[in-house]
Amino acid sequence: QKEVEQNSGPLSVPEGAIASLNCTYSDRGSQSFFWYRQYSGKSPELIMSIYSNGDKEDGRFTAQLNKASQYVSLLIRDSQPSDSATYLCALRDSGNTPLVFGKGTRLSVIA
Amino acid sequence: KAGVTQTPRYLIKTRGQQVTLSCSPISGHRSVSWYQQTPGQGLQFLFEYFSETQRNKGNFPGRFSGRQFSNSRSEMNVSTLELGDSALYLCASHAGPDEKLFFGSGTQLSVL
Repeated sequence: QKEVEQNSGPLSVPEGAIASLNCTYSDRGSQSFFWYRQYSGKSPELIMSIYSNGDKEDGRFTAQLNKASQYVSLLIRDSQPSDSATYLCALRDSGNTPLVFGKGTRLSVIA
Repeated sequence: KAGVTQTPRYLIKTRGQQVTLSCSPISGHRSVSWYQQTPGQGLQFLFEYFSETQRNKGNFPGRFSGRQFSNSRSEMNVSTLELGDSALYLCASHAGPDEKLFFGSGTQLSVL
């Protein structure tokens, strides 16, 4: 059974700070990794994908992947109150397997 | 480009009834995945369809079923509803089996 672990939070950061969200996983065969953002009462929205070890930057977001240590993280620079949401980590093996989600980390950015 | 359309948005049913939920994927996407989301369990995978064929099925009882039509629209059905089936049911559209998932707004099902 594939497991995706996230700290449920809430993670509270002041406006303008860097928010760091972490995710660990159990299956070494995992190949594709995704971060989704879910606002309260809304559906998940894809914000980042990463497939190779290292960092991938997209605007204020940076995804970091370390397959040897089996973790993936999301950094949000210059955090804004509008970033307050639950962030879901998701991953997939190569081939014919579904996307598996962690339970999410709730982020609160304090103005 | 239109997004993923799920209907209805809200449903209230009583125990023992059955329910059918509908999902229209993004135009050109041939894969649809369904998830159940509850506060305690998070997003749990139900099924995945590609070109009318079920590719994967999650660990849910046989009361949960689904299908996909030739136009890629998908439906899921839950029979003999139980209180524990109350959840947000999310449909995700993807271009192919290993592609990124884009979610619809979901159907909030309440079983009384």
